[in-house]
Amino acid sequence: DTGVSQDPRHKITKRGQNVTFRCDPISEHNRLYWYRQTLGQGPEFLTYFQNEAQLEKSRLLSDRFSAERPKGSFSTLEIQRTEQGDSAMYLCASSPPGLAENIQYFGAGTRLSVL
Amino acid sequence: DQQVKQNSPSLSVQEGRISILNCDYTNSMFDYFLWYKKYPAEGPTFLISISSIKDKNEDGRFTVFLNKSAKHLSLHIVPSQPGDSAVYFCAASDLKDTGRRALTFGSGTRLQVQP
Repeated sequence: DTGVSQDPRHKITKRGQNVTFRCDPISEHNRLYWYRQTLGQGPEFLTYFQNEAQLEKSRLLSDRFSAERPKGSFSTLEIQRTEQGDSAMYLCASSPPGLAENIQYFGAGTRLSVL
Repeated sequence: DQQVKQNSPSLSVQEGRISILNCDYTNSMFDYFLWYKKYPAEGPTFLISISSIKDKNEDGRFTVFLNKSAKHLSLHIVPSQPGDSAVYFCAASDLKDTGRRALTFGSGTRLQVQP
């Protein structure tokens, strides 16, 4: 499977715990994005990497959220001290360099439930 | 402030008939538009796109029309098939200073194709 891979698919945690999600983009895609999607809404942008550099963060990304892409390949998204409002689907997407960057390819997402 | 709107939360059509999904946007800086399809428990899958310099793009049963003056685009599916039943998201793209191709999504339209 050469698509965007996300792990885990589901995560249930208690309020106040830390969680970490992983995303493996499509090979050769240098651009990586994290989105959050809640019920009845479209995905909302969280953060953007070009290679290993985090170039942009949304105001949706509070101080409890941190993302990394240490070697320009896979990425992790960590949420510290989770709150019930963090419950959502977290989607990762990647796009290639050049003109084809207009199209972002999404993974299946990690569904987070904070109890 | 919703920059991309899909005003119809749901649509039901008979198999073999045409499905028309609509999308309106407000930001004149959007220069590329995409449609994604989402099945339950999967991430959004890219379907078709159109540049702002065109008014129509066709790919098999799927055609996207863009009316820039009205800031409106639509997706036509002809003929509709039961396997097309999914949530369809409209997305609009513009280029940020960081070099990110930003996607702004609508809230989706759930299409049900009746056999």
